[in-house]
Parts: sequence; C-alpha cells; structure tokens
Amino acid sequence: DAGITQSPRHKVTETGTPVTLRCHQTENHRYMYWYRQDPGHGLRLIHYSYGVKDTDKGEVSDGYSVSRSKTEDFLLTLESATSSQTSVYFCATYESDTGAGGSYEQYFGPGTRLTVT
Amino acid sequence: AQSVTQLDSHVSVSEGTPVLLRCNYSSSYSPSLFWYVQHPNKGLQLLLKYTSAATLVKGINGFEAEFKKSETSFHLTKPSAHMSDAAEYFCVVSKRRTYKYIFGTGTRLKVLA
Repeated sequence: DAGITQSPRHKVTETGTPVTLRCHQTENHRYMYWYRQDPGHGLRLIHYSYGVKDTDKGEVSDGYSVSRSKTEDFLLTLESATSSQTSVYFCATYESDTGAGGSYEQYFGPGTRLTVT
Repeated sequence: AQSVTQLDSHVSVSEGTPVLLRCNYSSSYSPSLFWYVQHPNKGLQLLLKYTSAATLVKGINGFEAEFKKSETSFHLTKPSAHMSDAAEYFCVVSKRRTYKYIFGTGTRLKVLA
C-alpha cells in the first residue's frame, strides 16, 4: 500500500472556525487529491494538485482552499467551517506510469471524519 | 464529459447466490474504469480496474467485471456472495491527463444469511 496518512483522523469543530486537514505521502507521487464523501453522493473532488505549488479546483471547491509547498504534503483548509462541511474527507495520490502496464489507480488515505457543530 | 451511473443504490442477495452490481459510463474516449469497495467505517479498497487491456477483468475476492463498449457498461459480478461482501461499492471513471476520478453514487450490498 502507498504510504498515505491523514491527520487528524477525527475532528469536531464549531461553525465559523478555521480547520486544516493534512495529507502526507511517502511515495513521491506527483498528483494529490482531496475528496469528500457524503451519503448518496459517493466521493466528490474538492481540489487537486499536479505538482508543488500547482493546484486546481474540483467540482465542490467552494469554501475550501489547498496548499502544496512540498511534494509529500497537501493541506486542505476550511477558512470558516459550516455545518454543510460535515463530512468524511479522503486524500489520494497518483503517479502516472508511462511504462507498459501502468497502474492508473489512485491510492487513498484512511480518511478524516470532520463534524462541524 | 465523463460520468458514471450506478443503477442500483441498494442490492440484497442471499449468501451463496450470485452478485450483480450495475454500472454504466459515459466517456468521449476509451476510459479507465475501476470498482472500489468500502466496508463500514473503513477506507477504500481497489477491487479491480480496466485500462484498455482485456475486457474481462478479474479482481480480488472472486469479483470480476466486463467492459462492454457497445453497452457502455462495466458491471461487477461474483458467482457466490459471502457475508463478508456486505459493503458499499463504487464504480469510478478516470479522466485523461488530470487522472481525476469521477465516482458513482455507490451501491450498498446486503448479504442475507
């Protein structure tokens, strides 16, 4: 398994407070992603990164920002948390394999359960 | 634009009977397709993937899926369900260049004793 850790694993916070979730990888993968999982929606992409300092929005990016200052770390920040951001957040990584039989798969972290009260 | 549709939000089967979880996709080019499983309060585990090689893909735990371009389908099957198969299953399509995943909304599989 790819070495992906997320911290914290669980967090309860109040509406209006800032929150930062961290994703750390040891695989030196170029691409990193943040998803949120909500019942009935599957996982939806929040933001992704295609290199250090290179990020772009996903389909549900409003209210979230990201930063990637090092290959191994991808931070997700909720500037002012709202109850609608109560969710489970997953980080994933990907390294395009240009050789024959490339894996094409993303590797997922264990998730962070965030509750905004 | 790419998308996936999982045709059933819930499926119930008896232990020892076949499993069929249905997924249709939409893509303007030959897609990469995946099935993931998520057990309760757990992370995501890759079951199998299709990346334009063999159209019948075998995965872990006895699961397999067949890519049918004419039907734009990638249904997941297993000959005989086990209690441990009870979980939520996600069909996923990957976008070119950015490799972003687009997830289906999931199918919750219940296995009855």
